[in-house]
Amino acid sequence: SAVISQKPSRDICQRGTSLTIQCQVDSQVTMMFWYRQQPGQSLTLIATANQGSEATYESGFVIDKFPISRPNLTFSTLTVSNMSPEDSSIYLCSARGSGRTEAFFGQGTRLTVV
Amino acid sequence: AQTVTQSQPEMSVQEAETVTLSCTYDTSESDYYLFWYKQPPSRQMILVIRQEAYKQQNATENRFSVNFQKAAKSFSLKISDSQLGDAAMYFCAYRSATGTASKLTFGTGTRLQVTL
Repeated sequence: SAVISQKPSRDICQRGTSLTIQCQVDSQVTMMFWYRQQPGQSLTLIATANQGSEATYESGFVIDKFPISRPNLTFSTLTVSNMSPEDSSIYLCSARGSGRTEAFFGQGTRLTVV
Repeated sequence: AQTVTQSQPEMSVQEAETVTLSCTYDTSESDYYLFWYKQPPSRQMILVIRQEAYKQQNATENRFSVNFQKAAKSFSLKISDSQLGDAAMYFCAYRSATGTASKLTFGTGTRLQVTL
């Protein structure tokens, strides 16, 4: 299984600022994903991070608010821009290798916006 | 669109006993994957078990097994000999087998408590 390192593990941010979350996988993977998990809720997919091209966003999520980069097959970043208290959530990075059935997850970033 | 339903928000089991968590899903596809993930308080999503829809045999991983009923679109998780470390949120998830970019769709989760 892939080992996914995500940082920071938690942060408290002021409203109006931005936070960039990093996701590093210990092996090359085909697919990388970013999820949001609001308090007490299930996971919602924000976007699929595509290597070398723009991310594919799910309905309700836009690039201006959640810009994503994926410069290579092992690394991706998610930025939460112009934050408001409603952005307080856990953000999780996930990856799936070529030909693999299952996806693996990072340990998540707990974001609190004050 | 596919949906995943977990009708039990919370379950409780005594240590060493057996518990079954329910999951149903809705899809028009014939080829797909189903998963159970565990999320302890540490937040990390941990894969517990997976099932390929084309396989009739139910998947088993040590104390964890599933009852996969394709016609009924049901995918329950049985935990045998429950341990304190099994206490967590459990999420059922679906993924289409069509297309490399297919994504996971999660249920709302079941919180499992394990008591002494």
